[in-house]
Amino acid sequence: DQQVKQNSPSLSVQEGRISILNCDYTNSMFDYFLWYKKYPAEGPTFLISISSIKDKNEDGRFTVFLNKSAKHLSLHIVPSQPGDSAVYFCAAPTRGGGSQGNLIFGKGTKLSVKP
Amino acid sequence: KAGVTQTPRYLIKTRGQQVTLSCSPISGHRSVSWYQQTPGQGLQFLFEYFSETQRNKGNFPGRFSGRQFSNSRSEMNVSTLELGDSALYLCASSGGRGTYGYTFGSGTRLTVV
Repeated sequence: DQQVKQNSPSLSVQEGRISILNCDYTNSMFDYFLWYKKYPAEGPTFLISISSIKDKNEDGRFTVFLNKSAKHLSLHIVPSQPGDSAVYFCAAPTRGGGSQGNLIFGKGTKLSVKP
Repeated sequence: KAGVTQTPRYLIKTRGQQVTLSCSPISGHRSVSWYQQTPGQGLQFLFEYFSETQRNKGNFPGRFSGRQFSNSRSEMNVSTLELGDSALYLCASSGGRGTYGYTFGSGTRLTVV
């Protein structure tokens, strides 16, 4: 059962326009969400996060929106730049064994920003 | 400050062999987690170590094991390799409870032939 879903495997946008990456989750116990960016042959890089007590978190060109009732979050990148071309993963930590928990990842969305 | 270091970067092994991968976390980080990335399954959690103790384990067979040393460095071992074990193995370190900004290493690309 996939608890974190990214239903769009790829997205292509023009430089300067908005990129919107979507993520859905099924586990209502998730209370924190993270977005990671990954280039080929590198590990994922933490991008931005949001707590479930908020509905929006902004960091420069990146904004994450959370809709708890719909169990949906989205990452907005404005304006998009060619250097943003990467695979973006949505993730949620779960708690087990007394730790802060492992991350459950979506399968990723490959963003291509065309010059 | 230095990031998470994983060695080796690339590895080719034969079916039936065993392999050991190494991870050095960010200095001061005591939590180390391991993930497997494959095209079909995405990123999947293997296990987490904290202060030399395994705190959490994913849904992988017993052929996958790990350990953490007193300096927080961690190793993972896969015995009796199968073709399906070919993957990118990622290590992540974290500053501890309440910090969710896991920092990942660049990974070890394991190919089983």
